Amino acid sequence: GQNIDQPTEMTATEGAIVQINCTYQTSGFNGLFWYQQHAGEAPTFLSYNVLDGLEEKGRFSSFLSRSKGYSYLLLKELQMKDSASYLCAVIDSNYELIWGSGTKLFIKP
Amino acid sequence: ETGVTQTPRHLVMGMTNKKSLKCEQHLGHNAMYWYKQSAKKPLELMFVYNFKEQTENNSVPSRFSPECPNSSHLFLHLHTLQPEDSALYLCASSLAPGQPTDTQYFGPGTRLTVL
Repeated sequence: GQNIDQPTEMTATEGAIVQINCTYQTSGFNGLFWYQQHAGEAPTFLSYNVLDGLEEKGRFSSFLSRSKGYSYLLLKELQMKDSASYLCAVIDSNYELIWGSGTKLFIKP
Repeated sequence: ETGVTQTPRHLVMGMTNKKSLKCEQHLGHNAMYWYKQSAKKPLELMFVYNFKEQTENNSVPSRFSPECPNSSHLFLHLHTLQPEDSALYLCASSLAPGQPTDTQYFGPGTRLTVL
């Protein structure tokens, strides 16, 4: 079967750094997406990784290790507005998106 | 604003009602999707339309009926729903389905409650 695992919830402090992990077991791999979803709003695209390594985009970075079936999203200098759910999704060999259940991130002052 | 709009944003209906959800994309994309999002569960893909042709129907009950009159508009017709159908229904669009880098852009969703 296909499976994406993410922690259900995480809590971090404003100004700090948080790492949200995602592990996957899928039939094939053609890339991994991270999306951010604020409560009651649309999921919005954050990043796409298909090669191993770290992709940096401002305060957000995403890392991929294909051999380990593992990715993480790193958020630096946390702000209250970063409180949201973060969704990990993998494109499998049929080019279908397999979604994780999302990680709800709480930021405390 | 992602360029994908959905109406209504909230809907409460009885099990015998008939209603429709509407989605419109202003991005010039070729594919549109309906997803169901329930609390603490992964997004469930319901239907995919590629150039107005339905290419995927993931064993969705017949009480959900999609319609795609053109590549910018997508509807989800609802009838005789069950309380377990209460969820957030998300519409998405993308430019090049089947390409690894194809990114889906989502609307804000319709929060559906079935009484």
